[in-house]
Amino acid sequence: GQNIDQPTEMTATEGAIVQINCTYQTSGFNGLFWYQQHAGEAPTFLSYNVLDGLEEKGRFSSFLSRSKGYSYLLLKELQMKDSASYLCAAMDSNYQLIWGAGTKLIIKP
Amino acid sequence: EAGVVQSPRYKIIEKKQPVAFWCNPISGHNTLYWYLQNLGQGPELLIRYENEEAVDDSQLPKDRFSAERLKGVDSTLKIQPAELGDSAVYLCASSSGGVTDEQFFGPGTRLTVL
Repeated sequence: GQNIDQPTEMTATEGAIVQINCTYQTSGFNGLFWYQQHAGEAPTFLSYNVLDGLEEKGRFSSFLSRSKGYSYLLLKELQMKDSASYLCAAMDSNYQLIWGAGTKLIIKP
Repeated sequence: EAGVVQSPRYKIIEKKQPVAFWCNPISGHNTLYWYLQNLGQGPELLIRYENEEAVDDSQLPKDRFSAERLKGVDSTLKIQPAELGDSAVYLCASSSGGVTDEQFFGPGTRLTVL
């Protein structure tokens, strides 16, 4: 079956760096997405990776290894507003998005 | 640019009652999605439209759920009759082009079935 695994919850300190991991198993692969979702709000797009490697976008970076079925989201210089859930979603060969349950990130001062 | 608009934001109904949700996507976005999301879970696709055509409705419980996207713009999702297990947030999203494009989500409708 198709599956996304990511940690349920993580805690980090303001100003620090945190890495949120995601492993996926899909029938075929057409890319991996990361979305941010604040409590009670809609998801917002962070990144899309389809090729191996690291893509940097400001304080956020996303990495993909297709051979390992693995991705991570790296958040630098953490701010209190980064407290949110981070959703990993992989696209299968039918272009269907398989969503993870999300990682709740708690930032402490 | 206006975002995806959904209404109502909240809806409370008794089981076996019908309910409908409305979505207006971002202007020019051909692809429209309906998802449901339970607390602590990721979104689950119900249906995807390309213009007015439903190209993926494999996850839509067709015995009680229906959707339409007349003229390829606004869309309506209906549940009839609602069950207790339908309580969730119903999200609408749109994208401008292919399925690998970024999806823009609306604020969602929180449905409570009593």
